[in-house]
Amino acid sequence: ETAVFQTPNYHVTQVGNEVSFNCKQTLGHDTMYWYKQDSKKLLKIMFSYNNKQLIVNETVPRRFSPQSSDKAHLNLRIKSVEPEDSAVYLCASSWGQSQNTLYFGAGTRLSVL
Amino acid sequence: GEKVEQHESTLSVREGDSAVINCTYTDTASSYFPWYKQEAGKGLHFVIDIRSNVDRKQSQRLIVLLDKKAKRFSLHITATQPEDSAIYFCAASIWGYKLTFGTGTSLLVDP
Repeated sequence: ETAVFQTPNYHVTQVGNEVSFNCKQTLGHDTMYWYKQDSKKLLKIMFSYNNKQLIVNETVPRRFSPQSSDKAHLNLRIKSVEPEDSAVYLCASSWGQSQNTLYFGAGTRLSVL
Repeated sequence: GEKVEQHESTLSVREGDSAVINCTYTDTASSYFPWYKQEAGKGLHFVIDIRSNVDRKQSQRLIVLLDKKAKRFSLHITATQPEDSAIYFCAASIWGYKLTFGTGTSLLVDP
């Protein structure tokens, strides 16, 4: 049963545009994450929030900015997208700051033309 | 930092046979090793994990083995079924922090 909801499922845009992705979890978890999955299925963590506070910020371009209004929501904004941003962006959540048993959303597939 | 290698990029088995997916890691401090399954068009789904205080764990048809000396761990799926077809990711971390994923193994179970 899905408990981590991501919107949109797909987004096609052009280089230089701004995009925003939304994520909501209904599990009551206090930590949420954004992962990037590239075309080779490689997974890299981008950001992690615990109770609305940024706790992990891996080396990502500055055009990426996460936003959390409460512990159940974590959004991702990309200013001025680049072709290399084409990927699937996966949102996840967990209890506590350790990444034991992550619950993932279905992902947002971004295509940058 | 930690590097996790997943040795089989694709694996094909016949229904009812066993499938084995092998992973190696580099950081001797790693202590928590989860496995995730990703079906087409979906996110990852946790299937089983093992911690460094044990060398074997079983959950129904899934068995995880951990060899700390060799820095190797493996997922065994017994009596495979077509619904086991998916991409499987191994991962390693230090008590759940700084989780590093492997590159994924695409398992196909032929009916």
